[in-house]
Amino acid sequence: AQSVAQPEDQVNVAEGNPLTVKCTYSVSGNPYLFWYVQYPNRGLQFLLKYITGDNLVKGSYGFEAEFNKSQTSFHLKKPSALVSDSALYFCAVREGGADGLTFGKGTHLIIQP
Amino acid sequence: ETGVTQTPRHLVMGMTNKKSLKCEQHLGHNAMYWYKQSAKKPLELMFVYNFKEQTENNSVPSRFSPECPNSSHLFLHLHTLQPEDSALYLCASSQRGLTEAFFGQGTRLTVV
Repeated sequence: AQSVAQPEDQVNVAEGNPLTVKCTYSVSGNPYLFWYVQYPNRGLQFLLKYITGDNLVKGSYGFEAEFNKSQTSFHLKKPSALVSDSALYFCAVREGGADGLTFGKGTHLIIQP
Repeated sequence: ETGVTQTPRHLVMGMTNKKSLKCEQHLGHNAMYWYKQSAKKPLELMFVYNFKEQTENNSVPSRFSPECPNSSHLFLHLHTLQPEDSALYLCASSQRGLTEAFFGQGTRLTVV
């Protein structure tokens, strides 16, 4: 069975500082990894994905994530945070061949002016 | 705006009512999904349809009944719900395989 862990319920970062939102996963086969963002009263918006290839993946709004197979992690990063980045962030995994995504519980990212 | 439209956006229903949630995708995808999002819990995958055929039912109570008449439309029929079923219900679609799923705005359901 596949699973995702987001160890932090909330991450606080000052505007302009780098941010990291952590994610670790567990699958029995090859992982396909995703990050989504959710703003209040909205659906989930796709940010980026890792399927294969370069371990550093670049996505929307200046976000990037690094796939680390040995640590089974896929942390979301951004070099310089904006107040508008404040939202709920979800990491998700799909094992090759499986239907549907398995999500973590989400991390609230709060960027302080 | 994402190509997946859900109606209604908000729904309040009594425990004895029957209602339906509707989802429509305009992306040409062949897989559709229902997820449940409750406060302080991970998103729960409820149902998966591939090419209109249900391929996954994650132990969802029978008071939730999905219907997929074609690859563009997905319904969730609700009857005799419980207050703990109050949540945000999200529909998503994807091209079956490796690609990301695209989500609708969700239906905020309140059972009273």
